[in-house]
Amino acid sequence: DTGVSQNPRHKITKRGQNVTFRCDPISEHNRLYWYRQTLGQGPEFLTYFQNEAQLEKSRLLSDRFSAERPKGSFSTLEIQRTEQGDSAMYLCASSFSSNTEAFFGQGTRLTVV
Amino acid sequence: AQSVSQHNHHVILSEAASLELGCNYSYGGTVNLFWYVQYPGQHLQLLLKYFSGDPLVKGIKGFEAEFIKSKFSFNLRKPSVQWSDTAEYFCAVKGNTGKLIFGQGTTLQVKP
Repeated sequence: DTGVSQNPRHKITKRGQNVTFRCDPISEHNRLYWYRQTLGQGPEFLTYFQNEAQLEKSRLLSDRFSAERPKGSFSTLEIQRTEQGDSAMYLCASSFSSNTEAFFGQGTRLTVV
Repeated sequence: AQSVSQHNHHVILSEAASLELGCNYSYGGTVNLFWYVQYPGQHLQLLLKYFSGDPLVKGIKGFEAEFIKSKFSFNLRKPSVQWSDTAEYFCAVKGNTGKLIFGQGTTLQVKP
């Protein structure tokens, strides 16, 4: 499968624990986006990378959230000291440029108990 | 501020019925508009997109959408729905950085 890959697919964690998600974009896609989707809502933008540079962060991305894209390939999204309100589906998307179609992964569903 | 509003949250239709899902956007720049579909258990997939040119765009699986600039709308249509169209549908506008601003989604249930 050469699409966008996200791991893990599901994560259950206790409140206060740290979690890390991984996204492998489509090869040669320069842009990588992270979104969050809660039940009954559309995806909300969190942050994006152009190669290894993080160019924009949403106000939704509190200081407990950090994202990286070392070497401009895969990306990780870490949430520290998780809260119940962090429970959501975290989606990754990639595109070749800002003017081309974004392809989405299947997401990582986070449940904080 | 950029925003997208979808009028219908939950639509139930019988097979062969016609579909129209409303979408209105608020964005001051060059408008790129999208409809994405999410089938149960699957990832978001692009149905169709509008960048420029003919305001009536055709997508996959018989879907089409019309961009009406004066109404800030991009409604999705299909003349005859099938049971397999049961899914969640999202309208989105692209900002100049490439990020997508999504509406809250419409759940379509097609009864066989």
